[in-house]
Amino acid sequence: NAGVTQTPKFQVLKTGQSMTLQCAQDMNHEYMSWYRQDPGMGLRLIHYSVGAGITDQGEVPNGYNVSRSTTEDFPLRLLSAAPSQTSVYFCASSFPGRGRIGELFFGEGSRLTVL
Amino acid sequence: GQQLNQSPQSMFIQEGEDVSMNCTSSSIFNTWLWYKQDPGEGPVLLIALYKAGELTSNGRLTAQFGITRKDSFLNISASIPSDVGIYFCAGRPTGTASKLTFGTGTRLQVTL
Repeated sequence: NAGVTQTPKFQVLKTGQSMTLQCAQDMNHEYMSWYRQDPGMGLRLIHYSVGAGITDQGEVPNGYNVSRSTTEDFPLRLLSAAPSQTSVYFCASSFPGRGRIGELFFGEGSRLTVL
Repeated sequence: GQQLNQSPQSMFIQEGEDVSMNCTSSSIFNTWLWYKQDPGEGPVLLIALYKAGELTSNGRLTAQFGITRKDSFLNISASIPSDVGIYFCAGRPTGTASKLTFGTGTRLQVTL
């Protein structure tokens, strides 16, 4: 089983460049989310989606866009990369309908460096 | 935003020792969860708690949902080398149906 698949695993960008982090899940999960992980700060929620066509902001949404056209995919777009966006990004999914919003399945992460 | 205070930040223990860590919040939570992250991987769910006072075990791991609903505890008994990693608490505050807040993590290192 693939679970949650993130691509790319590593990426280096220059300041001002844009890019998209891809996330796909094959578990038919309604809920998908993006977190960033920085040293000493745990995981912080960027954006989330409770179903296709529905997205909402998390704790640190500035500089990021998302869309949810299908149940399976939830891409994260960096519009104009900044050094402050250097981080490890995690995509996660779950079944919110069962009241288990926190039982997240995480991808392996995408490590992004902005120079 | 919501803050979760997790302690200790890191700990070294001898193999075979018991471990305790905790997480506290300034507000009431409906759900508490504990995750473990191995190096280079995403977090994996260990235990989920849904009721105040709930005590749940998963092998050598035991977690409790505090009665005040503002804290949670994780205990690991008889630690082994594969327990090494970062342990995160996470919670869903009252009134936030779709958002999960994570603690800053406890880094566990085991010496033989």
